[in-house]
Amino acid sequence: DTAVSQTPKYLVTQMGNDKSIKCEQNLGHDTMYWYKQDSKKFLKIMFSYNNKELIINETVPNRFSPKSPDKAHLNLHINSLELGDSAVYFCASSQELGQARQGNTEAFFGQGTRLTVV
Amino acid sequence: GQQVMQIPQYQHVQEGEDFTTYCNSSTTLSNIQWYKQRPGGHPVFLIQLVKSGEVKKQKRLTFQFGEAKKNSSLHITATQTTDVGTYFCAVISSGSARQLTFGSGTQLTVLP
Repeated sequence: DTAVSQTPKYLVTQMGNDKSIKCEQNLGHDTMYWYKQDSKKFLKIMFSYNNKELIINETVPNRFSPKSPDKAHLNLHINSLELGDSAVYFCASSQELGQARQGNTEAFFGQGTRLTVV
Repeated sequence: GQQVMQIPQYQHVQEGEDFTTYCNSSTTLSNIQWYKQRPGGHPVFLIQLVKSGEVKKQKRLTFQFGEAKKNSSLHITATQTTDVGTYFCAVISSGSARQLTFGSGTQLTVLP
């Protein structure tokens, strides 16, 4: 059983298109994240979301928006795709960081979605 | 958000040599986590350090948390080709907006 699953694994699309990446976790975690990993392997956090608040990294363009239909899902919508959006996008989940101060706050990652904008 | 600097960015070692990656913060950390990402894979949690001066071992891997809780290191003894990958430290940002922020990572190549 996959703890965090995201689809699709590969996504090739043209500039200007709108696309979505789906993410689901079956761990019962309260918090989910989206990260962008560039060609240099830098992992940049884009969003973190629990049932109370959405935290948006200020560098993320507003063309990117997370949608959470329920606690187990956090999908990523991207409008008007640009060449610079090409990267690997990872979904992750963990216990709520604010509550699990000393406890286990490890993040579980999905397999990643390699987005190529042409 | 919390910033943590990680060095080196790249490291090439001969199989059997040791390897160390370092993370440094200008502020005191509540804890620090370490992850490994194999080529083509996703980050996988290795360990979490919480206490000042803490040292934990996992087989050939030794993790340390500085006395001031501002730095941490991951040391691999006698590297093997299976150790290839990118190693990340990660910290939980302080304040009301808590996020899990990753260091820039160290890409380890082990030459057979």
